[in-house]
Amino acid sequence: AQSVSQHNHHVILSEAASLELGCNYSYGGTVNLFWYVQYPGQHLQLLLKYFSGDPLVKGIKGFEAEFIKSKFSFNLRKPSVQWSDTAEYFCAVPDSWRNEKLTFGTGTRLTIIP
Amino acid sequence: GAGVSQSPRYKVAKRGQDVALRCDPISGHVSLFWYQQALGQGPEFLTYFQNEAQLDKSGLPSDRFFAERPEGSVSTLKIQRTQQEDSAVYLCASSLATQGDRGGGGYTFGSGTRLTVV
Repeated sequence: AQSVSQHNHHVILSEAASLELGCNYSYGGTVNLFWYVQYPGQHLQLLLKYFSGDPLVKGIKGFEAEFIKSKFSFNLRKPSVQWSDTAEYFCAVPDSWRNEKLTFGTGTRLTIIP
Repeated sequence: GAGVSQSPRYKVAKRGQDVALRCDPISGHVSLFWYQQALGQGPEFLTYFQNEAQLDKSGLPSDRFFAERPEGSVSTLKIQRTQQEDSAVYLCASSLATQGDRGGGGYTFGSGTRLTVV
């Protein structure tokens, strides 16, 4: 079964700082990779996804993530964060290449200080 | 509808009580998922439907948990004889993709039902 690790549980940054949130997964085959975000009081929504091709994928609100197959990683980045980025971020990977079932990491709570 | 709708938003149940949680997915979405999210944790898979067929129920924690989607649209998650450890947010998600579709995984989530068992 797939496992997903998010090593940063709570990250606190000032506005305009750069952000990188780590995500590592265990399944070594061809994978789809996802980042979801949950803003305070809102439902989980898709931030970005990787299926194939260019390992650097761009999502909404200036976020991007890089798939590094050799490191089993899919880290989320943003060059300059804003207060409105305060949210919980979840990395997710399908249980197997042919499976719709997602395994989520435990999440990283991001707090941006104005 | 425009999004995935879940009801109720909040439910307080006395220990031992049965509860039913409803999910109304996006119209036309074939796949429907239930996840359980405990405080401070990521969502954990409970069960998956493709249309009316329950293809995977490996995540249901006990036989007190039961889910159905009889007509391939609305789904109900039922928990019998609730226990305190059942307290969590129950999330429903739907997707156009189906099992085996590598373009899948882009779920649309509902706002969840927060269940508190006292």
